[in-house]
Amino acid sequence: EADIYQTPRYLVIGTGKKITLECSQTMGHDKMYWYQQDPGMELHLIHYSYGVNSTEKGDLSSESTVSRIRTEHFPLTLESARPSHTSQYLCASTPWSGGKGAEAFFGQGTRLTVV
Amino acid sequence: AQSVTQPDIHITVSEGASLELRCNYSYGATPYLFWYVQSPGQGLQLLLKYFSGDTLVQGIKGFEAEFKRSQSSFNLRKPSVHWSDAAEYFCAVVLKGTDKLIFGTGTRLQVFP
Repeated sequence: EADIYQTPRYLVIGTGKKITLECSQTMGHDKMYWYQQDPGMELHLIHYSYGVNSTEKGDLSSESTVSRIRTEHFPLTLESARPSHTSQYLCASTPWSGGKGAEAFFGQGTRLTVV
Repeated sequence: AQSVTQPDIHITVSEGASLELRCNYSYGATPYLFWYVQSPGQGLQLLLKYFSGDTLVQGIKGFEAEFKRSQSSFNLRKPSVHWSDAAEYFCAVVLKGTDKLIFGTGTRLQVFP
């Protein structure tokens, strides 16, 4: 069973508020990812990290930021939430594979609604 | 353009019928290939993966997938669908030398009794 956790599961917040979505994994995985999932299902990679102090932007531009101060923790922050940020956010992690591909483990997601 | 394509957005089958979900990729080199399933309100779970070797791979829950290099395809199959298989299915790739997991647009499967 995957040991990757996201909190909160659901969040309804007003426009302009600062929010942080939490993601933690206890598997010691080096790589972590944030995906944004549209209501129509498609997943877009918005951030990833190869390890502590490593963060990269993904394929979909996002106004969110991430940090990786500890291996197990990869929080995502929105400084000023807007209705356009309404979406589901999925966190994932993979062990080091040397570029050979590895199974990704996913959290259950945070469904964010900005009103 | 480089992409992962799932041509079928929505598929409906009767319980007990066979199933095939299509996935095509468009990359210069064959990537690592995956199928994930997402149940309502849940994260994604790996069904199966292909890295190399035997082109027919077996996964969990009775699923299998066949890699066809000539068609750049990695279609998912199940001989007899159960009502609990209703979910969203995602084909995904990892380009060799990278660790970025890139998803297709997904196929929503409905199962009728």
